[in-house]
Amino acid sequence: GAVVSQHPSWVICKSGTSVKIECRSLDFQATTMFWYRQFPKQSLMLMATSNEGSKATYEQGVEKDKFLINHASLTLSTLTVTSAHPEDSSFYICSASPSYNEQFFGPGTRLTVL
Amino acid sequence: QKEVEQNSGPLSVPEGAIASLNCTYSDRVSQSFFWYRQYSGKSPELIMSIYSNGDKEDGRFTAQLNKASQYVSLLIRDSQPSDSATYLCAVNPSRFSGGYNKLIFGAGTRLAVHP
Repeated sequence: GAVVSQHPSWVICKSGTSVKIECRSLDFQATTMFWYRQFPKQSLMLMATSNEGSKATYEQGVEKDKFLINHASLTLSTLTVTSAHPEDSSFYICSASPSYNEQFFGPGTRLTVL
Repeated sequence: QKEVEQNSGPLSVPEGAIASLNCTYSDRVSQSFFWYRQYSGKSPELIMSIYSNGDKEDGRFTAQLNKASQYVSLLIRDSQPSDSATYLCAVNPSRFSGGYNKLIFGAGTRLAVHP
């Protein structure tokens, strides 16, 4: 149980394009989903928290107009990196929470912006 | 002071030994504590959760929580080379601090189990 999928697992795009990443909870309904970014040899950095049907809450320093989050249903959240630049290249990981406690992570999406 | 602190390591232990990983946190009213394992290039995997003082055992893993000392640890018995990974400590802050289900992660401790 508690399986979270992410798609795509990796993506390479040109600078200036937009990239959409999907996060799905496969066997439970997620009241809350989280989006993290992780640079090599660094810990997870929380970008935003999304609740189904409401606007995402972004962490300080994260540009909400650049990282668009949509939590359309209790099993799907999407992160769109708009006008991507090389410095946005990173490992993006989502997690989903069925309750007020555990978070279960998706396998991650490796984004490379050329 | 960081909210969740861990020794970055690497912690090197021989195969078969007990690996002891430690974590301290600053929010005194934190309620939930988690240990995640992250292999290089992969996403974190939940291995233990603990909510009350004392020990909680699951197979080769034992989590220990001491809220008075704001300290949580993870023991791995009979360590195997496959346990070599980064172990992340995560704390769920108090509901009253506005982060009712947000996790605060430590930087992680790298564990290396050598044959």
